[in-house]
Amino acid sequence: NAGVTQTPKFQVLKTGQSMTLQCAQDMNHNSMYWYRQDPGMGLRLIYYSASEGTTDKGEVPNGYNVSRLNKREFSLRLESAAPSQTSVYFCASLGGAVEQFFGPGTRLTVL
Amino acid sequence: AQTVTQSQPEMSVQEAETVTLSCTYDTSESNYYLFWYKQPPSRQMILVIRQEAYKQQNATENRFSVNFQKAAKSFSLKISDSQLGDTAMYFCAFTTFYRDDKIIFGKGTRLHILP
Repeated sequence: NAGVTQTPKFQVLKTGQSMTLQCAQDMNHNSMYWYRQDPGMGLRLIYYSASEGTTDKGEVPNGYNVSRLNKREFSLRLESAAPSQTSVYFCASLGGAVEQFFGPGTRLTVL
Repeated sequence: AQTVTQSQPEMSVQEAETVTLSCTYDTSESNYYLFWYKQPPSRQMILVIRQEAYKQQNATENRFSVNFQKAAKSFSLKISDSQLGDTAMYFCAFTTFYRDDKIIFGKGTRLHILP
C-alpha cells in the first residue's frame, strides 16, 4: 500500500516548455486534488476531482489542465510553463473519514 | 466563498511550554469539518486533528487539542508540553464535505520549539 505517489520529485523547466505531473493513489478514494505551495501563501487548490470523469477548478487554475484518467490517477499539465509556476506541487486524495492523504510533493522550477 | 485565516505567520516557544495557534474561518454552512495539518521540514503533510462542526466536544489527540467556537468561527490548536519534534508549519483547513469535496487551507503558522 503505497498511499499517494507523485512523479517526478524534482523538475527544472525553461519558460514555455510543457510537462505533466503524475499522481496515483491505491486507496480506492473518489476525490483527488492538486495544490501548489508557495512561501507565505499556504496550500492553494489548483483543481480537484470528486470522482472519475469529473474535474473542478480551485482557487488558482489558470495555466493548468488536469485529467482524471481513472479512479487511481490524476495528472496535472502545464502547457507553457512560466516562472510564476515555480512552486512545490502536492497531490492528495480524500478518504472516507474525511482525511486527506498527501503525496510527497514535486518541486518545480521554471527558469 | 469560504476562507481560512491564520493570523500568526510565525511563533517560537520554549520546549515543554504550551502554545496556541489561531485559526478563523468564514462560511455560511452549518455542517463542515475543520482540520489542523502539520508539515515538518520533510515536507510531508500530516493530519494532526479533525473536528466535525456538529460535535460540541472539542477534539483531542494526545498533547494536541482544539478550542472550537462555532459561533465565533474560531478553531485554535493547543499543543501541550511542546517537544522539539513539534517544530513545523501548521495549517488550518476547512471543508463543507457535504456540499462538495473542496478543502481550503490557511496560509500557515511556522512554529519553532526552542531547546
